[in-house]
Amino acid sequence: NAGVTQTPKFRILKIGQSMTLQCTQDMNHNYMYWYRQDPGMGLKLIYYSVGAGITDKGEVPNGYNVSRSTTEDFPLRLELAAPSQTSVYFCASSQDREWTQYFGPGTRLLVL
Amino acid sequence: GDSVTQMEGPVTLSEEAFLTINCTYTATGYPSLFWYVQYPGEGLQLLLKATKADDKGSNKGFEATYRKETTSFHLEKGSVQVSDSAVYFCALSDRGAGGTSYGKLTFGQGTILTVHP
Repeated sequence: NAGVTQTPKFRILKIGQSMTLQCTQDMNHNYMYWYRQDPGMGLKLIYYSVGAGITDKGEVPNGYNVSRSTTEDFPLRLELAAPSQTSVYFCASSQDREWTQYFGPGTRLLVL
Repeated sequence: GDSVTQMEGPVTLSEEAFLTINCTYTATGYPSLFWYVQYPGEGLQLLLKATKADDKGSNKGFEATYRKETTSFHLEKGSVQVSDSAVYFCALSDRGAGGTSYGKLTFGQGTILTVHP
């Protein structure tokens, strides 16, 4: 099992550009999550999904979009990058009722 | 809303010292409590968890007890090692009165631990 994988590991964007952060899990987990981690802060939930075709907003969804067409994949889309979106982004997944989340290695994004 | 407060860091200890990282929480329902650890350059991984009051989670010499009366989940280890140097996050998943939270986590701000030989 690879667990949760994320690509890319690092990216520099210019203000106004768009990109998609990829997340894939091979554990057949129904639940998937996107968090952002700012320096000196804990992680904040951006979006989550309880299964293919079902997504919902977390605490800080503005400026982001998600889709969940398959159980395995949960991409995060930034449409118009802003400096405030400079952060480290983590994808995670969990199994029903267990609620232990398994995290990917993260994507470091710098918006200039 | 739910919140988690961790002790201010960073924490610097000598090898074999005793470790305590304080964590208190506010929740409206029936939370499960977690400690996650993040080693340099890596994602978070679960260290231990407790799902109901008075449960004790333990792993790799670390322990934490779910104290509902003090709304706390302090992390302890009797003898730290250099390899324990990492960032430690306390988190909760609040099931709410309806019994489900979809596993969403609320995190504390993290505590940086550095252990010197």
